[in-house]
Amino acid sequence: EVQLVESGGGLVQPGGSLRLSCAASGFNFSRYWMQWVRQAPGKGLEWVSQINSYGSSTNYADSVKGRFTISRDNAKNTLYLQMSSLRAEDTALYYCARGTDQLARSWGQGTLVTVSS
Amino acid sequence: NFMLTQPHSVSESPGKTVTISCTGSSGSIASNYVQWYQQRPGSAPTTVISEDNQRPSGVPDRFSGSIDSSSNSASLTISGLKTEDEADYYCQSYDSGNHWVFGGGTKLTVL
Repeated sequence: EVQLVESGGGLVQPGGSLRLSCAASGFNFSRYWMQWVRQAPGKGLEWVSQINSYGSSTNYADSVKGRFTISRDNAKNTLYLQMSSLRAEDTALYYCARGTDQLARSWGQGTLVTVSS
Repeated sequence: NFMLTQPHSVSESPGKTVTISCTGSSGSIASNYVQWYQQRPGSAPTTVISEDNQRPSGVPDRFSGSIDSSSNSASLTISGLKTEDEADYYCQSYDSGNHWVFGGGTKLTVL
């Protein structure tokens, strides 16, 4: 069974940093593109970033480019999102998802990031 | 910027059929695959349609997807509605830079 478990969320002050993790199991992690998608409270889904199976190709939404960095450790079956210069508008539930560069097939349950002073 | 527009909400009775539209703002929606995700209240999204009209395993055949090039739109059709289908539904595609684009979501009420 495919499992994606996000962690690392929490309360952080504006301008601060946070690193999210997504532990994968039940599939060959090193073969799949991975995504981060977020959802602000009461709002819709917003794509954040993606990374290819090797970690050699990444892509970011304009809203986070230059502030967030996606990475992965295939030996540890873990996806990461390093977030810096956080803003109030980054407050959201962050989901990791497995799929291709164009779609998601499996989703985690999410980890909540709150940016507030 | 490429955008996808969905109706804010739709409602229908149990046993009936409902169709949710997703209209592309520019270019041809048929050029890139469209996916549909279901999100029940308090839960993570799940994929109900991928690559325009493909149902992942475990998704009932009551769910179907289609593309209409004449209206530059994609549609999700759910037949034989059940109360468990009550959820938010999001369409998703991507632009020329492979940046994903989500529709704003449609709240389906089954009453």
